[in-house]
Order: sequence, then C-alpha cells, then structure tokens
Amino acid sequence: KQEVTQIPAALSVPEGENLVLNCSFTDSAIYNLQWFRQDPGKGLTSLLLIQSSQREQTSGRLNASLDKSSGRSTLYIAASQPGDSATYLCAVRPGSNYQLIWGAGTKLIIKP
Amino acid sequence: GAVVSQHPSRVICKSGTSVKIECRSLDFQATTMFWYRQFPKQSLMLMATSNEGSKATYEQGVEKDKFLINHASLTLSTLTVTSAHPEDSSFYICSAGDSGYTFGSGTRLTVV
Repeated sequence: KQEVTQIPAALSVPEGENLVLNCSFTDSAIYNLQWFRQDPGKGLTSLLLIQSSQREQTSGRLNASLDKSSGRSTLYIAASQPGDSATYLCAVRPGSNYQLIWGAGTKLIIKP
Repeated sequence: GAVVSQHPSRVICKSGTSVKIECRSLDFQATTMFWYRQFPKQSLMLMATSNEGSKATYEQGVEKDKFLINHASLTLSTLTVTSAHPEDSSFYICSAGDSGYTFGSGTRLTVV
C-alpha cells in the first residue's frame, strides 16, 4: 500500500533563505508525482508535476526532484519570500488509475 | 489552462438541512471528477470518484446515502450533503481528472 510522508510538518525560515521540503513514498512504482500549494481556506494550486520518467522539473524559483529508487522527492525553493508562506502538499499517482495518494503537507512560514 | 469552478466557497447551514456543492470544468470536458474532504491541519481525503453518466465510486467509510454525487454532464458534478450535522463541517474540494489534476477553490461548510 502506497504511503506518502512529508517532513517536516512545519517550517519557519527568514525571508531570502533557500529551503528544501521533503516527500517520501513507500512504493517506487509510480506514474507521476505532483507538488501543490494550498493557502489557508483555499483550494490547491498545482506547482510542479514530475512524470515517472523524469528526474526534475523547474518553474521559476521552484525546483522539484524525483528519485524513484529511493522513494523521495524534494521541492527546492530559492530566495524565499513572505508570499511563499502556505502549506505545500505532495501527491503520488500510483499507476494507471487516477487516485492520488496525498502527504499531510508541510506548513511553511517565511518571516519578513 | 484548465479551470475548475467550485461554488459556493462558503456555506453555513442548519443541522438537518441539505447542502449542494457544484464543481464545473470551464474549458474542458471531465469524464471523471474527484471529491475530497479536508479536516483542519490534515491532508486531503478522497471521498469518491465521480464518473459522467454512471454511479460514483465511494471510498471505504464514506456514506453514499449521506454524500450524494451526481455527474450528469461532462462539465458538472455535484456533491449534496444530506441531513447535515455539525460533524460534517469541513472543507470540501473537487478536482477534474486530467493529467494535471485541476482543483476547484474549495467549499467551507459549517453546520450549526
């Protein structure tokens, strides 16, 4: 049974720092992995989608990596800003079906 | 890009009444939509998979008679919380089944 874990559950850093959020999954046979952002009381915004055959994806200050063999993905945020404060969720699509397996999220606070 | 519209964004209802939440794909056809529930400080819990023209598939532990799902067209799925109780208060989010998993903005339901 696929399980997704995100560590840490919460993180608070000063503005300007580079930071890494971690996501681990127990079954390496995945179809893709996706990182989302959720602002308080709001829906989800997709940040990066990494297909099973890919090693990383980049969008602006965000870089997500995928290492299937070790069951890990990281989300790297460069030069963090207060506007980056949100909860970041990773989700794994296990295979050909559509069901996503979600991590519990990392709540990120960027202090001005 | 793909957009999913969900409304209402917030609803307060009295215990015992029913509430309908709508999820619309605005610029694409969605044969599959997903309904999630999110408790405070927890990740998303898949409630059911909604398939256009057929009965929804409910996850274990989700009461199908309480959470009625209708997917009558390729652009609209509805979730009706019947005979709502305070324990049904939660954040409900829908998503449409394309490879990017576009999410609605969520509905905050409060049952008083």
